[in-house]
Amino acid sequence: EVQLLESGGGLVQPGGSLRLSCAASGFTFSSFALTWVRQAPGKGLEWVSTISVSGDSTYYADSVKGRFTISRDNSKNTLYLQMTSLRAEDTALYYCAKDGVGWYYFDCWGQGTQVTVSS
Amino acid sequence: EIVMTQSPATLSVSPGERATLSCRASQSVSGSLAWYQQKPGQTPRLLIYGASTRATGVPARFSGSGSGTEFTLTISSLQSEDFAVYYCQQYNRWPLTFGGGTKVEIK
Repeated sequence: EVQLLESGGGLVQPGGSLRLSCAASGFTFSSFALTWVRQAPGKGLEWVSTISVSGDSTYYADSVKGRFTISRDNSKNTLYLQMTSLRAEDTALYYCAKDGVGWYYFDCWGQGTQVTVSS
Repeated sequence: EIVMTQSPATLSVSPGERATLSCRASQSVSGSLAWYQQKPGQTPRLLIYGASTRATGVPARFSGSGSGTEFTLTISSLQSEDFAVYYCQQYNRWPLTFGGGTKVEIK
């Protein structure tokens, strides 16, 4: 069974940093692209960032470009999102998602980790 | 950026009736379109990818159609467990984008 377990969320002040992790199991981690998607309270889904199988290619939403960094450790089956210069508008539930075979839709999602940016 | 527009925002349907949800792209996404279902307090679930291919375990009452800029998700006979918010997502071009969602509620 595919499982994705996010961690690392919490309350942080504006301008602060946070590192999210997503531990994966139940599939060949190194064979799939991975993605972070977020959902602000009461709002819809927003794509944040995707990383390729090897980690050589990364993609970001304009809203986080230059502030967030996605990475992966295929030896640890873990996906990361380093978030810096956090803003109130980054407050959301952050989901880790596994991409489909060769395509960038999301066939499995974690339960999410809450990030709250507030003073 | 490709803007995905879903309509209607809310759809009121009686159990057993048919529901038709629309998703329009601001430019062609070919067949690179996915649909997700999200129930309150739950994680999104993939329903459809490639505009019309059902994901594993998705009941046959869910069907997707369309290509280019116009897409439709049809639920042939609504069951109580189908009342939820549905999102479309294009993956033809970066940045990936979602529609704003359609809430399917009980009439």
